[in-house]
Amino acid sequence: AQTVTQSQPEMSVQEAETVTLSCTYDTSESDYYLFWYKQPPSRQMILVIRQEAYKQQNATENRFSVNFQKAAKSFSLKISDSQLGDAAMYFCAYRVTQGGSEKLVFGKGTKLTVNP
Amino acid sequence: NAGVTQTPKFQVLKTGQSMTLQCAQDMNHEYMSWYRQDPGMGLRLIHYSVGAGITDQGEVPNGYNVSRSTTEDFPLRLLSAAPSQTSVYFCASRRGTGRNNSPLHFGNGTRLTVT
Repeated sequence: AQTVTQSQPEMSVQEAETVTLSCTYDTSESDYYLFWYKQPPSRQMILVIRQEAYKQQNATENRFSVNFQKAAKSFSLKISDSQLGDAAMYFCAYRVTQGGSEKLVFGKGTKLTVNP
Repeated sequence: NAGVTQTPKFQVLKTGQSMTLQCAQDMNHEYMSWYRQDPGMGLRLIHYSVGAGITDQGEVPNGYNVSRSTTEDFPLRLLSAAPSQTSVYFCASRRGTGRNNSPLHFGNGTRLTVT
C-alpha cells in the first residue's frame, strides 16, 4: 500500500530565512505525481508545487522548490525568504493511476510557524 | 469564477440523522472527489468520480454514498450519521483523469459535528 510520511509534525522558521519540510513515500510504481499543498488557518487548500516522477529536474515556483530524489522516494519542500503569510499546514501528496482506479494519498501534515 | 462550491459551511446533526453535503464545480472538470480531514490524520479519500455516472470508493467509504448524475455536481450522502463522522469534509475536482499532472481544486470545506 502506498503511504506518505511527513516526519516533522511542526517546524518553525524566522522571517526571511529558509526552511525545508520533509516528505517520504512508499511505492512500487514508476509513474506517479507528487504535490505539496498549503492550508492556512482559513482552511482553504492551496496548491504550492507539483512534480512528475518521470522528470528529473526539480520543480520550482518562485520561493518554493523541491528536492525530488526518486530512488530514495523523497520529496522535500524548500521555502526561501520565508514570509509571515507562509505560516500554514503543509501537506505532501502522492497520486498514481493503476488500471482504471486512482490512488491519492496525503501525508499527515507539517505545521509551519514563521516568527517575525 | 466560482471554482468548487461546497454547502453548507457548518452543520450539526444528531446521531442517526441523514443529510447531503453539496458540491458543485463550474470548471467542466471530469474528476471529482470527497475527502475528510481529521486532526493528525491528514486528508483521507472517501469517494471519487472520473465522470458522470461513474463513481468509485476511496480509503474510507463506509457510511457514505455518492452519485454523479452531471459533470458539475457530486453530492455526498450520510445515510445515518455517527459521532465518528464528525470531521471537516472537502470536495475537490481536477481536469482530466488518469495520467496528468493537473492539481486538485478544493472547495472551502464543511465542518460537520454529529452529537
